[in-house]
Amino acid sequence: EVQLLESGGGLVQPGGSLRLSCAASGFTFSSYAMSWVRQAPGKGLEWVSAISGSGGSTYYADSVKGRFTISRDNSKNTLYLQMNSLRAEDTAVYYCAKDSIAAAALDAFDIWGQGTMVTVSS
Amino acid sequence: EIVMTQSPATLSVSPGERATLSCRASQSVSSNLAWYQQKPGQAPRLLIYGASTRATGIPARFSGSGSGTEFTLTISSLQSEDFAVYYCQQYNNWPPTFGGGTKVEIK
Repeated sequence: EVQLLESGGGLVQPGGSLRLSCAASGFTFSSYAMSWVRQAPGKGLEWVSAISGSGGSTYYADSVKGRFTISRDNSKNTLYLQMNSLRAEDTAVYYCAKDSIAAAALDAFDIWGQGTMVTVSS
Repeated sequence: EIVMTQSPATLSVSPGERATLSCRASQSVSSNLAWYQQKPGQAPRLLIYGASTRATGIPARFSGSGSGTEFTLTISSLQSEDFAVYYCQQYNNWPPTFGGGTKVEIK
């Protein structure tokens, strides 16, 4: 079964850091680009960042550029999101999501994790 | 970035009736348009990609149409499990962007 499982969320003070992880199983992880998508409480979906299957290409939303870093370890089938200089407006459920087509640069997301909550508050 | 606008924000429909949801892009996204369903407390689920192709396991009552800037998701006969929020998403240009969602509620 194809599965994504996020972890690492929690409560952090403004200006603090957090690293999210997403463990993948049931598919050839290195063949697919992966993304992080977030959802603030009661709000819609916002794409945050993406990384190619090899990890050689990364993409960021303007709202997180320079503060967040996406990476992956294909030997561990794990995706990461390092979040620094966190702000109150970063408070959201963070989902990892898998591209539906192997080797696609930009694609629909066919598999989503259950999400991990990040709360930025003093 | 491409702005995706969904209408209406809320759609009140009786079980068994047809629901028609709209999504408009601020510029052409060709057919690179997906629809997702999200229920409270759950992750989004892919329904439609390529504007009109149903994802694996999605019932035939869900159909998508359109290209360019105008898209429609139709649910032919609403079932109780279909009451949820629906989002469209373009993946033609970076960054990928989502519409604000349409909540389908029981009338």
